[in-house]
Amino acid sequence: DSGVTQTPKHLITATGQRVTLRCSPRSGDLSVYWYQQSLDQGLQFLIQYYNGEERAKGNILERFSAQQFPDLHSELNLSSLELGDSALYFCASSVAGGTSGANVLTFGAGSRLTVL
Amino acid sequence: ELKVEQNPLFLSMQEGKNYTIYCNYSTTSDRLYWYRQDPGKSLESLFVLLSNGAVKQEGRLMASLDTKARLSTLHITAAVHDLSATYFCAVDRLYSNTGKLIFGQGTTLQVKP
Repeated sequence: DSGVTQTPKHLITATGQRVTLRCSPRSGDLSVYWYQQSLDQGLQFLIQYYNGEERAKGNILERFSAQQFPDLHSELNLSSLELGDSALYFCASSVAGGTSGANVLTFGAGSRLTVL
Repeated sequence: ELKVEQNPLFLSMQEGKNYTIYCNYSTTSDRLYWYRQDPGKSLESLFVLLSNGAVKQEGRLMASLDTKARLSTLHITAAVHDLSATYFCAVDRLYSNTGKLIFGQGTTLQVKP
């Protein structure tokens, strides 16, 4: 157990629907990162939050949004789902948001989304 | 844009053999991370390399970093079946204020008995 908790583990839904993925970071970590892993795109950075504020944005579609709450858990919202959104979505956390020294990300087990 | 490229992308090897995975990155950075992912599982941190010439070893795996060449290597010595997994290298941009990691494509290692 890495200490990063993601729910749900598996999710099957239909095109056009909306889903919410949830992540609780490791205790003491202030940064949360969302990554999408698919066979054709590899591991893609989506978005990062640090202590409640958006810190960096990657290849995140406009149909996707995220937020980090005061208790530091984060949610990734995926709407108007398409077949191509089927992927494994990882949440990771770290202590810092980009200061000097190592910034090792600890990954959760992932949420596997299947869009039919 | 920061790019990270690994090669080979797939490696099938016999137990007991040695091999090296290469990781090239496109911009200045002196922080290089290696992760392991078992099929259907999460990513597990293996090594963090923080300076030019850094070398880290754990069991049959040894990682090194050459920041001038923008190259890191992951060397496997006398491979065993348990090392079968996908290995990712990742980089964050020097002086970045984010800490986000950009990952390579991954190298899938298959060790045959």
